[in-house]
Amino acid sequence: EVQLVQSGAEVKKPGESLKISCKGSGYSFTSYWIGWVRQMPGKGLEWMGIIYPGDSDTRYSPSFQGQVTISADKSISTAYLQWSSLKASDTAMYYCARRGLYNWNYYYMDVWGKGTTVTVSS
Amino acid sequence: DIQMTQSPSSLSASVGDRVTITCRASQSISSYLNWYQQKPGKAPKLLIYAASSLHSGVPSRFSGSGSGTDFTLTISSLQPEDFATYYCQQSYSSPPMYTFGQGTKLEIK
Repeated sequence: EVQLVQSGAEVKKPGESLKISCKGSGYSFTSYWIGWVRQMPGKGLEWMGIIYPGDSDTRYSPSFQGQVTISADKSISTAYLQWSSLKASDTAMYYCARRGLYNWNYYYMDVWGKGTTVTVSS
Repeated sequence: DIQMTQSPSSLSASVGDRVTITCRASQSISSYLNWYQQKPGKAPKLLIYAASSLHSGVPSRFSGSGSGTDFTLTISSLQPEDFATYYCQQSYSSPPMYTFGQGTKLEIK
């Protein structure tokens, strides 16, 4: 079964660092891009960025560039999203998702993790 | 950046109704448009990709159409399990910055 398993919920204080994970299984992890999506409480989906685990090529949404770091360790089929200094406004659900491909150039997010809740509060 | 605008933001309908949700892109995106369904407390699920292709396992009452800047998601006969929030997403951008619409919440009338 193709799946993405995300790490558990986190509760942090402002200024702390955090790294959450997304482990792929059931497919060739290095052959598919992994995207990250934020959903703030009661709000919609926001595209954060995407990484290709095969060579760690990473692209960020301008809104998130410099705010987070996306990385991957292909040896353990895991992608990461990290913060060096959390803010209260980082409180949200974070999803990872696999980018699928149709007909050479049509892309979509076909497999999703269950999400990691991050709560930042003093 | 390509902006995606959905309408309506919310919609009340009854079981058995035919429902249409609209998504408009700020520039032409050809057919690079996907639709997702999200239920409370759950991850989004892919319904439609490439504007009109039904994802594996998705019931045939869901359909998508459109190209260029205007797209629609239609549910032909609403079922109780269809009450959820629906998002469109463009996958035209390169480098990949696949923006979502703001969502349409479909509620029971």
